[in-house]
Amino acid sequence: DAMVIQNPRYQVTQFGKPVTLSCSQTLNHNVMYWYQQKSSQAPKLLFHYYDKDFNNEADTPDNFQSRRPNTSFCFLDIRSPGLGDAAMYLCATSGGTATEAFFGQGTRLTVV
Amino acid sequence: GQNIDQPTEMTATEGAIVQINCTYQTSGFNGLFWYQQHAGEAPTFLSYNVLDGLEEKGRFSSFLSRSKGYSYLLLKELQMKDSASYLCAQSNNNAGNMLTFGGGTRLMVKP
Repeated sequence: DAMVIQNPRYQVTQFGKPVTLSCSQTLNHNVMYWYQQKSSQAPKLLFHYYDKDFNNEADTPDNFQSRRPNTSFCFLDIRSPGLGDAAMYLCATSGGTATEAFFGQGTRLTVV
Repeated sequence: GQNIDQPTEMTATEGAIVQINCTYQTSGFNGLFWYQQHAGEAPTFLSYNVLDGLEEKGRFSSFLSRSKGYSYLLLKELQMKDSASYLCAQSNNNAGNMLTFGGGTRLMVKP
């Protein structure tokens, strides 16, 4: 059974049109992460939540926002997607910091 | 960044053994992880080392030397399905203990 679920699996959006990616987890983990992964590159951490505490990476563009309304759900909002934002977006959870992260299947975002 | 370095690509033969090396920043080190990622899929956890030495899990083993800032992933009895990217990731106190990934090593297993 999937423990970290991302919807949709594939998302196409128009240049400049806001888009939201969703992630849910059944593990009751404290930490939820959003990573961006472009082709043949390492996953790049955008931000993470430890419970309700939000932590933004210093180089994450303002165009990217996140919400975590409860333990189970986390959303990635891209306010004005550009062509350079086309990537795989990976959600992950862990029971704490410095512990194994469990990844969802990812959402592949295409910007047209 | 956390200066995690690993080779970009490796090729090996089915049935053989391959070692994938990773070096990382030692300051603030708090754990070393290896993940496997098939093309178009999410990373899946393989191993975790926080103390020096070798951790063995079936065909896969991972080694850590904290003083050298060095780890390797050893894959034995290679199978075609082992063709994937292998990501070295570090948990570091200087980065809030979040996982930071290296660029990954793309392993191609040939018959």
